[in-house]
Amino acid sequence: NAGVTQTPKFQVLKTGQSMTLQCAQDMNHNSMYWYRQDPGMGLRLIYYSASEGTTDKGEVPNGYNVSRLNKREFSLRLESAAPSQTSVYFCASSTGGGNYGYTFGSGTRLTVV
Amino acid sequence: GENVEQHPSTLSVQEGDSAVIKCTYSDSASNYFPWYKQELGKRPQLIIDIRSNVGEKKDQRIAVTLNKTAKHFSLHITETQPEDSAVYFCALWRAGGGNKLTFGTGTQLKVEL
Repeated sequence: NAGVTQTPKFQVLKTGQSMTLQCAQDMNHNSMYWYRQDPGMGLRLIYYSASEGTTDKGEVPNGYNVSRLNKREFSLRLESAAPSQTSVYFCASSTGGGNYGYTFGSGTRLTVV
Repeated sequence: GENVEQHPSTLSVQEGDSAVIKCTYSDSASNYFPWYKQELGKRPQLIIDIRSNVGEKKDQRIAVTLNKTAKHFSLHITETQPEDSAVYFCALWRAGGGNKLTFGTGTQLKVEL
């Protein structure tokens, strides 16, 4: 039982390059989330998927797209990376029942140069 | 939308002392209040949570209290140890709020020897 698995763990991109961050959970959770964490800024929600087949914007969605591929997988895509997207990205999942906390992945440290 | 304010942003205590972190919120529909601990370079992990029908919950050296009337909840750590040094985030889940947590901005706790 791996919980929430994120890949890659580290990535360096050049400005303008694209990439996809992968996230998979094996807990049969309904809801999945993508956050970014910058120093002193806490956790900011980028996009989330309350259930398979749905996605919604969070507070900082610009420059990102997401795909809920199936119940297990939720990917985050940067189409044209910018230095402002340098951050640590966390994927999380929850049962979505309304009274349960998140399980976080181990994070992806992304640097855009 | 939901809003949660967390104080203090940094807290330094001597080993063995108690630490208290407080979060305030405005929406009375909030019904679930978890706390996360994030050690340096690691993922946030759920350490304790409380639901709106409970006033206090304890787990060994940590406790959470909820005052629904005043709309605040607090994390209490007693007999602090160096391994308690981390960033702590409060969060809340609002019924009908889109199946997502709203996080506080975090408190950097340092336990000094």
